[in-house]
Amino acid sequence: GDSVTQMEGPVTLSEEAFLTINCTYTATGYPSLFWYVQYPGEGLQLLLKATKADDKGSNKGFEATYRKETTSFHLEKGSVQVSDSAVYFCALARYGNKLVFGAGTILRVKS
Amino acid sequence: NAGVTQTPKFQVLKTGQSMTLQCAQDMNHNSMYWYRQDPGMGLRLIYYSASEGTTDKGEVPNGYNVSRSTTEDFPLRLELAAPSQTSVYFCASSEGSRGGNSPLHFGNGTRLTVT
Repeated sequence: GDSVTQMEGPVTLSEEAFLTINCTYTATGYPSLFWYVQYPGEGLQLLLKATKADDKGSNKGFEATYRKETTSFHLEKGSVQVSDSAVYFCALARYGNKLVFGAGTILRVKS
Repeated sequence: NAGVTQTPKFQVLKTGQSMTLQCAQDMNHNSMYWYRQDPGMGLRLIYYSASEGTTDKGEVPNGYNVSRSTTEDFPLRLELAAPSQTSVYFCASSEGSRGGNSPLHFGNGTRLTVT
């Protein structure tokens, strides 16, 4: 079945450091791919998405590129801030807009 | 702009008790979802509704029931609570029921503990 694998956390970075969170997927066909972010005490909210191969999603300085060859959708940000501390979820969408989520990666940014 | 509202925020149940987690959305979305979030496992789909009057099982439906009698509401029922149902429950909604391009809008969750 479909699945999403994310790098384990927590990831701890200093402010202004470069961020990469790895995400790979297993699926039939070419699903849409998403990154969701969950801030403490809140529900998940969409960070960015890509709907076809080679698409780049971007938002708030975060980027991720849909790589069909490597079945990956890694999340990157050039300079993280303390306010980026959250849990990040990679997900793919199946028919009916049902999402399959990865386990989540905790990001902690220190000032 | 309320979005997706879940109640209660916290709940403690004893094994064997029953309860209903409430979910309401005011965005006129067709699709609604219930997920549970467990450490190290991400979110897993419990039940799904593509539109008013329809429901479908997700990945982990056992021990739960749902109904969709209105567009706005999608309650999740636990009939005989078990400790394995201790989790954080999220309700979500989205515009479309086909394809994968409509973002999900999540509520803030209900933290349920079954002792």
